Amino acid sequence: QSALTQPPSASGSPGQSVTISCTGTSSDVGFYNYVSWYQQHPGKAPKLMIYEVTKRPSGVPDRFSGSKSGNTASLTVSGLQPEDEADYYCSSYVASNNWVFGTGTKVTVL
Amino acid sequence: EVQLVQSGAEVKKPGESLKISCKGSGYNFPSYWVAWVRQMSGKDLELMGIIYPHDSETRYTPSFQGQVTISADKSINTAYLQWSSLKASDTAMYYCAREEQQLATFDYWGQGTLVTVSS
Repeated sequence: QSALTQPPSASGSPGQSVTISCTGTSSDVGFYNYVSWYQQHPGKAPKLMIYEVTKRPSGVPDRFSGSKSGNTASLTVSGLQPEDEADYYCSSYVASNNWVFGTGTKVTVL
Repeated sequence: EVQLVQSGAEVKKPGESLKISCKGSGYNFPSYWVAWVRQMSGKDLELMGIIYPHDSETRYTPSFQGQVTISADKSINTAYLQWSSLKASDTAMYYCAREEQQLATFDYWGQGTLVTVSS
């Protein structure tokens, strides 16, 4: 199973929006509505930000939103804050208790 | 409060064995799958395998099958990842994570265990 494809970097100024794509195949992202997004600050563990494509866990700001079209999922961060600067990884369920992660995107707040 | 607490950083030589741990608390540990995820040099996350502590059913990602052993002791709410003969290429950060089965996502993560293998 190949890693999902994400752009290496994305950036925006405070208050702006940034959207990160996550491209898979018809066997993972395109087949299952089990796409998650994780935020990882340097030296920290990943933190769940979005699950089941669009849902936010309790405590995650509503500035974070997810969507999917075909084999590509997206994470949008609206109203960028300095603390949003981090690495973001997508993942998709691929059956039989197996998951594939994305290649990661570094978000920079300018 | 759900927590996964991992054992501390390790420095080992090639060929040595190692077992790292992940202790869960704040939830019914046996009833949730626990995954091990590798991150090399702060880059890609890779799922190594996943275990169901209730009956120790384990599934490995093909690239890690035979390279590591995942186990669990439900009596002490702890999952393990072990190597019988480390290689320099095993140097990485290792995370455990709880799978929320109904949501097919990893909702809680351990703090990570850094394993360094160097002669």
